[in-house]
Amino acid sequence: GESVGLHLPTLSVQEGDNSIINCAYSNSASDYFIWYKQESGKGPQFIIDIRSNMDKRQGQRVTVLLNKTVKHLSLQIAATQPGDSAVYFCAEKNLIFGKGTKLSVKP
Amino acid sequence: NAGVTQTPKFRVLKTGQSMTLLCAQDMNHEYMYWYRQDPGMGLRLIHYSVGEGTTAKGEVPDGYNVSRLKKQNFLLGLESAAPSQTSVYFCASSYGVMHEKLFFGSGTQLSVL
Repeated sequence: GESVGLHLPTLSVQEGDNSIINCAYSNSASDYFIWYKQESGKGPQFIIDIRSNMDKRQGQRVTVLLNKTVKHLSLQIAATQPGDSAVYFCAEKNLIFGKGTKLSVKP
Repeated sequence: NAGVTQTPKFRVLKTGQSMTLLCAQDMNHEYMYWYRQDPGMGLRLIHYSVGEGTTAKGEVPDGYNVSRLKKQNFLLGLESAAPSQTSVYFCASSYGVMHEKLFFGSGTQLSVL
């Protein structure tokens, strides 16, 4: 069946470094992907999305890259801050969610 | 502007009991969703609604029923709770279906003993 998976369950980075969180998907027909951030005890919060007609999209300190050839997308967070500590999910059309990567930021 | 509000935040049930989770949104969104979140499983879609009076099944609908009598409310019911339904439940809403960002509530922690 279809799946969306994250490559690493945990990621630890130093404050100020860049973070890269990866996600793979299985359905080559997927046309819309979203990244969500979930802080402890809270609901997921939208970060950024990308449609399949794009390879890259930038937001404030975040960039999502989509590689349709290898069915892979990544979330890049620039100058990671302690407030970025959370679990990050990728999702395909809000139907299939990855299990999440827990990002920890060391001061 | 509250966004998406879920009640209750916590609930403990005994096997076989019933309950209803309430979701309310004040953003005039057409689309509403119920997900469950289990450790190591990610979010899974239970049911969703594309408008007032309509509902549809998601990935894991068994054991749940939903109703959307008013545009701003989406109710999730458990008729006979089972321990396998112990989970965190999230309601969400969006402007469009499937290709739009979701706005989530803060969740309901449900334990079925």
